[in-house]
Amino acid sequence: DQQVKQNSPSLSVQEGRISILNCDYTNSMFDYFLWYKKYPAEGPTFLISISSIKDKNEDGRFTVFLNKSAKHLSLHIVPSQPGDSAVYFCAARSLGRGSTLGRLYFGRGTQLTVWP
Amino acid sequence: DGGITQSPKYLFRKEGQNVTLSCEQNLNHDAMYWYRQDPGQGLRLIYYSQIVNDFQKGDIAEGYSVSREKKESFPLTVTSAQKNPTAFYLCASTARGRGTDTQYFGPGTRLTVL
Repeated sequence: DQQVKQNSPSLSVQEGRISILNCDYTNSMFDYFLWYKKYPAEGPTFLISISSIKDKNEDGRFTVFLNKSAKHLSLHIVPSQPGDSAVYFCAARSLGRGSTLGRLYFGRGTQLTVWP
Repeated sequence: DGGITQSPKYLFRKEGQNVTLSCEQNLNHDAMYWYRQDPGQGLRLIYYSQIVNDFQKGDIAEGYSVSREKKESFPLTVTSAQKNPTAFYLCASTARGRGTDTQYFGPGTRLTVL
């Protein structure tokens, strides 16, 4: 049962435009969310995170938006660059005391392709 | 230069053989994790360990075993009982394994069973 869902397996965007990657979750106990970027044959690298007490977090070209009522988050990349081409994973965890400590639940990823 | 190392990068084994994947970290992290990545499947948790000499099964532990004898090391053994062992295996660690600690990943090991 997929608790974190990325329903778009791929996204293609022109360089300079905005890339919007979406993620939905079903577990209302999740209160911390992360995005990871992954190149082929490499480990994922942490990109940006957001706590459920916020609805937006920004870091340079990357902004994550959280809509708790809709159980939806999105990652915006502006402007998109060819080097952004990678698989992006959404992940979630519960910070609650009863949760499995540190356990992350991952979506299946979205392949972003940024073309010149 | 702190980080997580996994070796080897590529590993080939014959069907029916056990194989052990190495994961070492020098970040002084308490918690360590093993994930498996298959095409279109995302990352699935195999085993995790919060402290030395303790570990817990994840979602797909069958056919795998781990040990945590040292804080820095969390080797994963893929046994002959694992029905589909060919995959990309990722090790990760995090400082305390709770709160907003970021989970950092190693470079991965591609295991191919022939």
